[in-house]
Amino acid sequence: GESVGLHLPTLSVQEGDNSIINCAYSNSASDYFIWYKQESGKGPQFIIDIRSNMDKRQGQRVTVLLNKTVKHLSLQIAATQPGDSAVYFCAENPPNFGNEKLTFGTGTRLTIIP
Amino acid sequence: ETGVTQSPTHLIKTRGQQVTLRCSSQSGHNTVSWYQQALGQGPQFIFQYYREEENGRGNFPPRFSGLQFPNYSSELNVNALELDDSALYLCASSWGGGSNEKLFFGSGTQLSVL
Repeated sequence: GESVGLHLPTLSVQEGDNSIINCAYSNSASDYFIWYKQESGKGPQFIIDIRSNMDKRQGQRVTVLLNKTVKHLSLQIAATQPGDSAVYFCAENPPNFGNEKLTFGTGTRLTIIP
Repeated sequence: ETGVTQSPTHLIKTRGQQVTLRCSSQSGHNTVSWYQQALGQGPQFIFQYYREEENGRGNFPPRFSGLQFPNYSSELNVNALELDDSALYLCASSWGGGSNEKLFFGSGTQLSVL
């Protein structure tokens, strides 16, 4: 079946270094992708999104890359800070779901080492 | 914070009971989506309400039902609770209308079924 998955369940990064979180998706018809950050005891928080007609989008300290050829999504966080420690989810909007209904991956736990 | 509020924050029920969870959407939003997040997993789409009508449903049985009120707040009802219903239930609001709008999540209701 269609699914959104992540290559690594956990990632530890030294404070100040850059981090890269990867995600594989299998629904080639998905046209919208989002990264969410979830801190302990909170709901997912929107980080950045990208549509399928783009291959890169930058935000504040974050960059999302989309490779439709291999159905791969990545989130790059520059100069990581302790507050970046959280679980990161990628999510896709499959066409059969309609708008605003998302399929989430399992998540990657990012730990920033001081 | 997103402005999406959920109540209660924690709830303990026994198998076979019924539960009602509540969500107030962010001001200006007319669409509410409900997600179930099991421990260590990504959120799974339950259903969405747009202008008081169900607007899409995920792979959940009919004992999961919902309502949306004229003020766009929403309820999630689960009948005949099962142990596997133990999870974090997340509500997300957005402005509907056919485009990919960002979801704003509440902090969730942690449901434990004993």
